[in-house]
Amino acid sequence: LAKTTQPISMDSYEGQEVNITCSHNNIATNDYITWYQQFPSQGPRFIIQGYKTKVTNEVASLFIPADRKSSTLSLPRVSLSDTAVYYCLVGEGSGYSTLTFGKGTMLLVSP
Amino acid sequence: DSGVTQTPKHLITATGQRVTLRCSPRSGDLSVYWYQQSLDQGLQFLIQYYNGEERAKGNILERFSAQQFPDLHSELNLSSLELGDSALYFCASSVQGSHNEQFFGPGTRLTVL
Repeated sequence: LAKTTQPISMDSYEGQEVNITCSHNNIATNDYITWYQQFPSQGPRFIIQGYKTKVTNEVASLFIPADRKSSTLSLPRVSLSDTAVYYCLVGEGSGYSTLTFGKGTMLLVSP
Repeated sequence: DSGVTQTPKHLITATGQRVTLRCSPRSGDLSVYWYQQSLDQGLQFLIQYYNGEERAKGNILERFSAQQFPDLHSELNLSSLELGDSALYFCASSVQGSHNEQFFGPGTRLTVL
């Protein structure tokens, strides 16, 4: 399993764009990059997933450079409710592969 | 609401006891995963079942066991409980081909006194 490295914590203010970068130097050809969000005492929630280039959905964008050794989760115009832990995961995308969660990035959004 | 249900929500028991946690996956999902989350260890993968069969094992202790039944619900059995087993236990489910999108339940908070 490819190891991921992401910042332990980040601070932001309401209305700003937040970019969280994750490095995964040993990503394999079959690996997908997935981001999860977790609020205290709740289960993680899938945010976005990608394989290469850029993926966008209604809550976030995921930028993946050509070498795929890193990825950046972009949250546009964050609000207080975006305060959570964000996990970057890399794994084979069969649908029944296991997920390895690291420590994640604690994002604190202030007024 | 993820569609994954877990019971009970809270469980308080004593050291040395045995408990069973229950999980019902989303309709149509064949894979069930169990995770343990404690303050000092983060979210740890325990075990995965796919359509009734064990698929992968993570950091699951020998005192812990799980199974998935024909109706696809799963149970996690924790025995000889220790204080350090106090944690949130999450169940997640996914469908084959979902590219790692797992749907997590609300969790069971286990407190061992």
